[in-house]
Order: sequence, then structure tokens, then C-alpha cells
Amino acid sequence: AQKITQTQPGMFVQEKEAVTLDCTYDTSDQSYGLFWYKQPSSGEMIFLIYQGSYDEQNATEGRYSLNFQKARKSANLVISASQLGDSAMYFCAMRELTGKLIFGQGTTLQVKP
Amino acid sequence: SAVISQKPSRDICQRGTSLTIQCQVDSQVTMMFWYRQQPGQSLTLIATANQGSEATYESGFVIDKFPISRPNLTFSTLTVSNMSPEDSSIYLCSVESSTDTQYFGPGTRLTVL
Repeated sequence: AQKITQTQPGMFVQEKEAVTLDCTYDTSDQSYGLFWYKQPSSGEMIFLIYQGSYDEQNATEGRYSLNFQKARKSANLVISASQLGDSAMYFCAMRELTGKLIFGQGTTLQVKP
Repeated sequence: SAVISQKPSRDICQRGTSLTIQCQVDSQVTMMFWYRQQPGQSLTLIATANQGSEATYESGFVIDKFPISRPNLTFSTLTVSNMSPEDSSIYLCSVESSTDTQYFGPGTRLTVL
């Protein structure tokens, strides 16, 4: 069965430092996509970054990069130079062939000044 | 990226009543999705809204409880029927772009008393 696992319920990081949020996935599909979303307390889901299963390069979007290790089935999010505004819940998700997204349980990130 | 709006942004309803949530996109999209996020939980797909045909529901969700309309390629509605306090959640619509990226609306925060 398709599954996303985020093992870190909560993380702390000092402002201006980098942080890695872990995500592992399980799928039997050859073609899939991996996403990271940020959810602040307002509840909206903000798209951060996407990695296709056939993409050879790790995806990057500004301060966000996705460390994609296909053999290990991991898709960790790296946030560089953390800012106070990065404090939020972060969700890893996998796109199935139907377009459906399966979400992990989320990681709460708190950035300390 | 698509610009997605949802109405209402939040509502407080009495048990036994129904609420219809609207989702509007600024461009034509083939696939629209409705998700539910119960308090403290991750997102779960309710159904895929197909233009011109019946919605496709996930296991555990039925049309009588969550009727969906998709009259055109930019609009969809989700109705939460005969509500109970267990229906208190954030309801989010999403759309898929041509590059398989999914973008979410701002969400509807529903409280049922």
C-alpha cells in the first residue's frame, strides 16, 4: 500500500541555520511525484517543492531543496537559512497515478530567534 | 500557479444542517480534488471532482454525505450534509496543473455545534 512516513512530530531550529525534515515513502508505482507543503496556523496549504520520480536532479526552489534518494525511498526537505516565518507545519505528500495525494502526518517546525 | 478561492472561509453551523463550499479557479483545469483535514490530523482525500461526470469518492466517503458538483472546468462545490460535530474540519479544494503540481485553495474552516 502507498504510504508516507514523517517520523519527526516536532523540530526546533535556530534562526539562520539549516534544517532537514525527513520523509520516507512506500510505493510499487514506477512513476510518482513527491511534494512538500507548508501549513501555517491559518490553515492554507502552501506548495513548496516538487520532485518527479524520474527527475535525476534534486529539486530546488529558493531556500528549499529536496534531497531525493530513490533507492532509500526518501525525500527529505532541506530549508536553508531558517527564518522566523518558517515556523509552521510541514507535510510531505506523494502523488499516485490517479492524481490523488497521500500525506504524511506532518512535522511542526519552530524557528527560534 | 493557479489562483484558487474558496467560499466561505469559515463557518459555524448547527448539527443536522448542510453547508455548501465553493471552489473557484482562475484557469480551466481538468482535475479538481476535495480534501478534509480533521483537527490535529493530516489531509485525507474525499473525492475527485470530474467535469461532466459523477465524482469519484474515496473509501469511507459517500455521495449522500458529501455531494459534489463540477459544472465547468473552473468551478466545483462540495456539500457537507446532515452535519454532526465530527464533521468539524478544514475542507480544502485543490487543482492539478499541467506539470502535475497540485495547488490548494485557502480552505474552509467548519465548526459544527
